[in-house]
Amino acid sequence: GIQVEQSPPDLILQEGANSTLRCNFSDSVNNLQWFHQNPWGQLINLFYIPSGTKQNGRLSATTVATERYSLLYISSSQTTDSGVYFCAVVNLTENEKLTFGTGTRLTIIP
Amino acid sequence: NAGVTQTPKFQVLKTGQSMTLQCAQDMNHNSMYWYRQDPGMGLRLIYYSASEGTTDKGEVPNGYNVSRLNKREFSLRLESAAPSQTSVYFCASSHQGARQPQHFGDGTRLSIL
Repeated sequence: GIQVEQSPPDLILQEGANSTLRCNFSDSVNNLQWFHQNPWGQLINLFYIPSGTKQNGRLSATTVATERYSLLYISSSQTTDSGVYFCAVVNLTENEKLTFGTGTRLTIIP
Repeated sequence: NAGVTQTPKFQVLKTGQSMTLQCAQDMNHNSMYWYRQDPGMGLRLIYYSASEGTTDKGEVPNGYNVSRLNKREFSLRLESAAPSQTSVYFCASSHQGARQPQHFGDGTRLSIL
């Protein structure tokens, strides 16, 4: 099956800093989503972005499907941004299976 | 705006007991999914229902059964719980298939002693 790797695995930043999270995948995809799992365990949909660039407030994401990677940018970090960020993809040959990466744990220090 | 609702939120079972996890969505979505999340890992697909009346196995289906009761509801059953099934279970739904964005419930934390 498709492999999804996220980097870095852990990231500790001061409040106000910017960060870039990366997601690499091993095969062609027709769906890519970014999620934020907050400290209470809730999974929040951030972006549905199989290709191109999207922005939502301080967050933006870019997917370059031909090069098999996606980036999540967080600007002016706040403590509420802490949690685990997951990238998840659907492989073209496994239509119903959303495969998750292992996540990036982000800790924002006041 | 309930979205995807899961019940219960927490449950402790003894080995060998049975249990049904409930999931309901109010977004008129056709597709529904059950995932499990083990500590320090991403989610893995257990079963899915692409549309009302259909169910299919995902990546880790052993030890589970599902029922798509109607368009709104998709339940997950553990017939004989085992400690290896201790996990957090998430239900999700999408308008039609995994190519569309999936929306998740808040999860059920299940411990098997």
